[in-house]
Amino acid sequence: GAGVSQSPRYKVAKRGQDVALRCDPISGHVSLFWYQQALGQGPEFLTYFQNEAQLDKSGLPSDRFFAERPEGSVSTLKIQRTQKEDSAVYLCASSWRAQGSLNNEQFFGPGTRLTVL
Amino acid sequence: QKEVEQNSGPLSVPEGAIASLNCTYSDRGSQSFFWYRQYSGKSPELIMFIYSNGDKEDGRFTAQLNKASQYVSLLIRDSQPSDSATYLCAVNGGNQGGKLIFGQGTELSVKP
Repeated sequence: GAGVSQSPRYKVAKRGQDVALRCDPISGHVSLFWYQQALGQGPEFLTYFQNEAQLDKSGLPSDRFFAERPEGSVSTLKIQRTQKEDSAVYLCASSWRAQGSLNNEQFFGPGTRLTVL
Repeated sequence: QKEVEQNSGPLSVPEGAIASLNCTYSDRGSQSFFWYRQYSGKSPELIMFIYSNGDKEDGRFTAQLNKASQYVSLLIRDSQPSDSATYLCAVNGGNQGGKLIFGQGTELSVKP
């Protein structure tokens, strides 16, 4: 079946613009995660949804970052008033298991590369 | 101290050799451990996961877990040039809930 999809794949924004990044998880997957990956680093956790409930947003770097998953499937990560330091690859991952499961494998989408000028 | 630590490399091995990738973690309550492969410009791809002490084999890959030493490793037998990539260790559970905590990755280069 289809994997995790993300759009757009590339986004260039001027500093101060708002952006919206979309994630379409694997059908039926309960859990959805957003990560941020800087060049040469491992992904860093941003936020987690179990169905439509946002259970953990401890990784969001500032109140300019907002995520939602209103119907428990597609999710949107919104960044308001983008700054240069927001430039990174934003990865979405989904899992069919809820948190607390031992084999909670997460499958990643292709990512959105955001460049803020 | 970082929560998950890996040598950044690059680790260079000749084709056909065994590549050994290592990872240590700080949260003793961690429960599940994952190895992802990431080619340049691509997203992480799951290779294996392990949650019991000991070895777990899947084809040319073997994951090893030692919870007492807080150490997890990945062995790649008969390394191929196509194995050249960055390998990410990730840890789940304990105080971290469902999220994965990643190391910075080890770059592996397999020379023909």
